Amino acid sequence: QVQMVQSGGGVVQPGRSLRLSCAASGITFTNYIMHWVRQTPGEGLEWVAVLSHNGDNYYADSVKGRFTISRDNSQKTLYLQMDNLRPEDTAVYYCAREGYSSGSAPTFDIWGQGTMVTVSS
Amino acid sequence: DIQMTQSPSTLSASVGDRVTITCRASQSISKWLAWYQQKPGKAPGLLIYGASSLESGVPSRFSGSGSETEFTLTISSLQPDDLATYYCQQYNSYSPTFGQGTKVEI
Repeated sequence: QVQMVQSGGGVVQPGRSLRLSCAASGITFTNYIMHWVRQTPGEGLEWVAVLSHNGDNYYADSVKGRFTISRDNSQKTLYLQMDNLRPEDTAVYYCAREGYSSGSAPTFDIWGQGTMVTVSS
Repeated sequence: DIQMTQSPSTLSASVGDRVTITCRASQSISKWLAWYQQKPGKAPGLLIYGASSLESGVPSRFSGSGSETEFTLTISSLQPDDLATYYCQQYNSYSPTFGQGTKVEI
C-alpha cells in the first residue's frame, strides 16, 4: 500500500525556521519526482516546490530563496526546510507524488495527510 | 500564471441528481486539466487527468470533458459519499495552478 506520512509543522514566530518531513512507503521512492503543495482558506491550493530525480529543484516565486526542498532516498523521505517564515506562509502543507505530466507541469496522484504550519507572533 | 476559475462556488443537490461543475482557464491549456476531490479533513485525491481520463479506482459516475479554456466535471448520479470540495488544476505550463474549489452539499 502506497503511503506518505508527514511530520513536523506547528506554531512558529515570524522570521523563524521549521522543517517538514514526508516518509514514503510502498513505492520505489527514487523513481518519483516529489512536490510540496500548500493550502490556505484564502488562497486555496498553491504549488510550492519540486525536486526531480537528478536533484533539480524549482520553487514558487512566493517561497524562492526562503524554502529548500531535499530528499534522502535511503530513508525514502522528502523534506521542506522553511526559513524566514512569514504570516502568509500559514497553511496546511502536503507532500505529493508527481503523477501524469504534460512535460511542462504535473498532476499529483498520491498525497501525504497534510501538516499545519502557523506563523504567528 | 494561468488563472483557473470554477463555478459555482457551492452546489446543493440531492442523491441521484446529475451534477456539473465548470472550470475556465485564463488561456488555452489544451487538454492538460485535472480534477481532484477533497473530503473534509483529508488531502485531495486525483479523479481525472487529461481532461477526460478517469484515474484508476474512481467510480464511473465521474466524467470530465472539455479542451482549451473550458472544462466540466460531471457526476452522473450523486451519492452521499460525494460530499466534498472539487478542484480543477491546469498542468499546461510551468507552475501548476488550481481553481478555488466547488463545495458539493448533499
